[in-house]
Amino acid sequence: DVKVTQSSRYLVKRTGEKVFLECVQDMDHENMFWYRQDPGLGLRLIYFSYDVKMKEKGDIPEGYSVSREKKERFSLILESASTNQTSMYLCASSPSRTGFQPQHFGDGTRLSIL
Amino acid sequence: AQSVTQLGSHVSVSEGALVLLRCNYSSSVPPYLFWYVQYPNQGLQLLLKYTTGATLVKGINGFEAEFKKSETSFHLTKPSAHMSDAAEYFCAVRDHYNQGGKLIFGQGTELSVKP
Repeated sequence: DVKVTQSSRYLVKRTGEKVFLECVQDMDHENMFWYRQDPGLGLRLIYFSYDVKMKEKGDIPEGYSVSREKKERFSLILESASTNQTSMYLCASSPSRTGFQPQHFGDGTRLSIL
Repeated sequence: AQSVTQLGSHVSVSEGALVLLRCNYSSSVPPYLFWYVQYPNQGLQLLLKYTTGATLVKGINGFEAEFKKSETSFHLTKPSAHMSDAAEYFCAVRDHYNQGGKLIFGQGTELSVKP
């Protein structure tokens, strides 16, 4: 079974801090994704990557950056955390660019910015 | 642009009743379609997918969905609801205009099951 592991289930940070959310997948998948999930808004794509050192902006990239130095690891960075970034963050991976294979999700990180 | 619409943000059924969660999509090319389920405080889990072939797709936990091209729909059904089916359900379509297997998700439907 594919396993996508997010480093923290719950995280509390302060406004202005630099925050790192880590995600690791163990199935040699090419694609990795970061979403945020808010009530009534569903899942919104922040950034994705289809190869090492490659990244593409999603629908809501403002205030975020990402890093993919190794194929299995995809990091989401909040450069200067703000209260409106309090949310559930979900990482996902999928095998290839063709897209007919499903994405596999981690359990999420619930981030609170105080 | 492609989009996914889930009709009804909340659906409530009685235990043993039919579950019907509606999903309509817009796509100018043959779509790849997915249904995911999210239990409280967990990530999303794949229920089923349609890529090509048979239009009636069976998934896990007794769920199935039918791809109807003429109606641009991919509704999720289960003949008899169980208390453990209470969760949020997301319909998604593969974005054909971007590489990387990007999905476009609907807003989600929260399913409640009454005893």
